[in-house]
Amino acid sequence: AQTVTQSQPEMSVQEAETVTLSCTYDTSENNYYLFWYKQPPSRQMILVIRQEAYKQQNATENRFSVNFQKAAKSFSLKISDSQLGDTAMYFCAFMKRQGGSEKLVFGKGTKLTVNP
Amino acid sequence: EAGVAQSPRYKIIEKRQSVAFWCNPISGHATLYWYQQILGQGPKLLIQFQNNGVVDDSQLPKDRFSAERLKGVDSTLKIQPAKLEDSAVYLCASSSITTTGNNEQFFGPGTRLTVL
Repeated sequence: AQTVTQSQPEMSVQEAETVTLSCTYDTSENNYYLFWYKQPPSRQMILVIRQEAYKQQNATENRFSVNFQKAAKSFSLKISDSQLGDTAMYFCAFMKRQGGSEKLVFGKGTKLTVNP
Repeated sequence: EAGVAQSPRYKIIEKRQSVAFWCNPISGHATLYWYQQILGQGPKLLIQFQNNGVVDDSQLPKDRFSAERLKGVDSTLKIQPAKLEDSAVYLCASSSITTTGNNEQFFGPGTRLTVL
């Protein structure tokens, strides 16, 4: 069974600075997808960024980028120029398509606070 | 485009009572998911539907939980009888699987269940 570990329960960063959230996962699969989801206090989960394991190039979405190290099974999220609106829970998630199943396996999350 | 709708937003019941949650996915999304998110943890998949068929219900406690999606659109999740450990946020998500493999799941606001 796949597992996802986020070792930082809470983090804080000053506005406009850069922060990196860590995520490691365990799988014996070769083809899979990795995601970072954001869950603001209102609780609506929003996709931040996704990475396909067969792609070597790290995904980037505006201020958000990932460092995907497949051999190390590591998938960290870097947030540049942090904004107050980035304050939220961040979940790392793993997905492997199997027989139509697209189950997302989530880590426990990292609570990020951006301070003014 | 309207997002995933869920109701009620909050529900408080006593143990051994029954409760039902409703979800309406994004129009045209064939796949619907129910996740359970216990406080301090990441969401855990309970059941995945493809149209009105069940794809994955391996983590659904079938002795007390049931779910249906009769017409392949909206869905209900029921708990009967509820236990204290069922206190959680129940998240509904939907996705549209395309030939490009886009598998983003869109989440609703969730229903917070408290069992006393």
